[in-house]
Amino acid sequence: GAVVSQHPSWVICKSGTSVKIECRSLDFQATTMFWYRQFPKQSLMLMATSNEGSKATYEQGVEKDKFLINHASLTLSTLTVTSAHPEDSSFYICSARRWEPAYNEQFFGPGTRLTVL
Amino acid sequence: QQQVKQSPQSLIVQKGGISIINCAYENTAFDYFPWYQQFPGKGPALLIAIRPDVSEKKEGRFTISFNKSAKQFSLHIMDSQPGDSATYFCAARVSGSRLTFGEGTQLTVNP
Repeated sequence: GAVVSQHPSWVICKSGTSVKIECRSLDFQATTMFWYRQFPKQSLMLMATSNEGSKATYEQGVEKDKFLINHASLTLSTLTVTSAHPEDSSFYICSARRWEPAYNEQFFGPGTRLTVL
Repeated sequence: QQQVKQSPQSLIVQKGGISIINCAYENTAFDYFPWYQQFPGKGPALLIAIRPDVSEKKEGRFTISFNKSAKQFSLHIMDSQPGDSATYFCAARVSGSRLTFGEGTQLTVNP
């Protein structure tokens, strides 16, 4: 149990286009989902935290108009990179936290490799 | 105060040896300490986690040792195998809040 999926697993796009990444919790309900960005050989950098049905909370320095997050249901969150540029190329990872207090664990998706040409 | 310091940055161990990765924290409000394993091109996977009311937790070849007074915790991998070669991240969290990650340790287990 506790599987988180991401789609697509990799995407290549042209500069100026928008890309949507989906994150789903497959076998549990997630009240909270997180989006991370990871550069090669570095740790995970939290971009934003989203709770189902409410606006996402962005970390300092993350442009909310560029990285649009929608947490539409207890099993789905999406990250849209708008007007992507080469510097947005990175590995994007989502994570979901189970709603049951006893668990309190956070499970990660397999990541999405974004390359902007 | 939210930082988690992880060491070493990289570690090379022979097959069958013990791999030890250390983490230190400052925030005494942290109450959950997980370790994640990440293979190249994949997302992190929860390996083992501990809460501060326990000094040690063992799951198979993986053991977390927790020293509350020193504000340190470590991951021990016994009988290390080439398949354990990955990047390991320690993390810490205040209940209900977000995870704070260490910088990561790249482990290489030589056959």
